Amino acid sequence: ILNVEQSPQSLHVQEGDSTNFTCSFPSSNFYALHWYRWETAKSPEALFVMTLNGDEKKKGRISATLNTKEGYSYLYIKGSQPEDSATYLCAFAQGGKLIFGQGTELSVKP
Amino acid sequence: GAVVSQHPSWVICKSGTSVKIECRSLDFQATTMFWYRQFPKQSLMLMATSNEGSKATYEQGVEKDKFLINHASLTLSTLTVTSAHPEDSSFYICSASTSGDTNEKLFFGSGTQLSVL
Repeated sequence: ILNVEQSPQSLHVQEGDSTNFTCSFPSSNFYALHWYRWETAKSPEALFVMTLNGDEKKKGRISATLNTKEGYSYLYIKGSQPEDSATYLCAFAQGGKLIFGQGTELSVKP
Repeated sequence: GAVVSQHPSWVICKSGTSVKIECRSLDFQATTMFWYRQFPKQSLMLMATSNEGSKATYEQGVEKDKFLINHASLTLSTLTVTSAHPEDSSFYICSASTSGDTNEKLFFGSGTQLSVL
């Protein structure tokens, strides 16, 4: 069974803080790594799909890095805002399907 | 961006009845749709993968006769939970892919919370 681990499970920060979380995945047979943002009562929304070792992607204040050789990806949020409060999911692509981590629940207090 | 509409958002049913959940891609054609189940505090678990016009591929441990999946068109997939029991109570969510390739992002519905009494 392939495991995708995310840490921490939850995170509480103050508005303006920068934060980051980790996604660990199997380092063999890498194909793609996805990050999704899931706000309560809404649909998960794709942030990034990363396919190359060393990839760095950025969307506004959110960025992600990828290390396929050691099997981890970091998601960074710079200057967190209350609207960043959500669960952030990563998913490892293998065998034509995505295997999801449990998510990191981020709460940003004003 | 692409929108996937999932209905109903929540449903309560009696044990032994069947429940149908619909997932529609509103502004694109979904070559492949995925159905997931999520229990509290756990990750999204893939139940099955469906391609338009062909039989769904079920994950190990998922009963295909209990969870009927139909993907009759490029914009609609349905999941029917037949003879539901309390242990089927869970959060069900669909996602759609334009290509079926996992190096492209998925578009998700908003999920269905099923409670079986």
